[in-house]
Amino acid sequence: DTEVTQTPKHLVMGMTNKKSLKCEQHMGHRAMYWYKQKAKKPPELMFVYSYEKLSINESVPSRFSPECPNSSLLNLHLHALQPEDSALYLCASSRGDSGNTIYFGEGSWLTVV
Amino acid sequence: KQEVTQIPAALSVPEGENLVLNCSFTDSAIYNLQWFRQDPGKGLTSLLLIQSSQREQTSGRLNASLDKSSGRSTLYIAASQPGDSATYLCAVLTNSGGYQKVTFGTGTKLQVIP
Repeated sequence: DTEVTQTPKHLVMGMTNKKSLKCEQHMGHRAMYWYKQKAKKPPELMFVYSYEKLSINESVPSRFSPECPNSSLLNLHLHALQPEDSALYLCASSRGDSGNTIYFGEGSWLTVV
Repeated sequence: KQEVTQIPAALSVPEGENLVLNCSFTDSAIYNLQWFRQDPGKGLTSLLLIQSSQREQTSGRLNASLDKSSGRSTLYIAASQPGDSATYLCAVLTNSGGYQKVTFGTGTKLQVIP
């Protein structure tokens, strides 16, 4: 099983809402990632949890908040988003050490209205 | 700073042709290089992973090569089919303080015409 599962597949939210994106993997991976992808652009790294340690892309605004309840689950909490945050949000996982394949989920399409 | 470029940006070929996608990177201190395909509105599907000690990987009609010293990788697709139509992304993997840092290329959008 090389599956990374993301829910929901589509999310529409207002600028005052609070919502969460969820990601799950059962491959025993110790690194999980959130990426943001705008149309016709490559994915950009937002956050990484590796062996329960969080690494952040300093340019990500605080209205995005990651959470890693355990090594199989990764959440992205969303609050007070802007329309420009509308994008495809991709979760990925890998074994956590160098030299291993990274697996991506199908993504969650987020629209902020 | 690692920069990854893919040429061409778009490619349209008739079904059955063999084709080559190119990927170049500026810093040769990499661990691995991974090729992905992305269908419209979908996530990334891993195609091949080439470790830095390898020069080549094959999976079915796909063959990827890696030349670290020149900062280049190629993805060869044999006997292309309409189902191969997608955007292909190469990604350079490096170690960054305990996790794999992934730098994506700019992508090649492939259309295979029946």
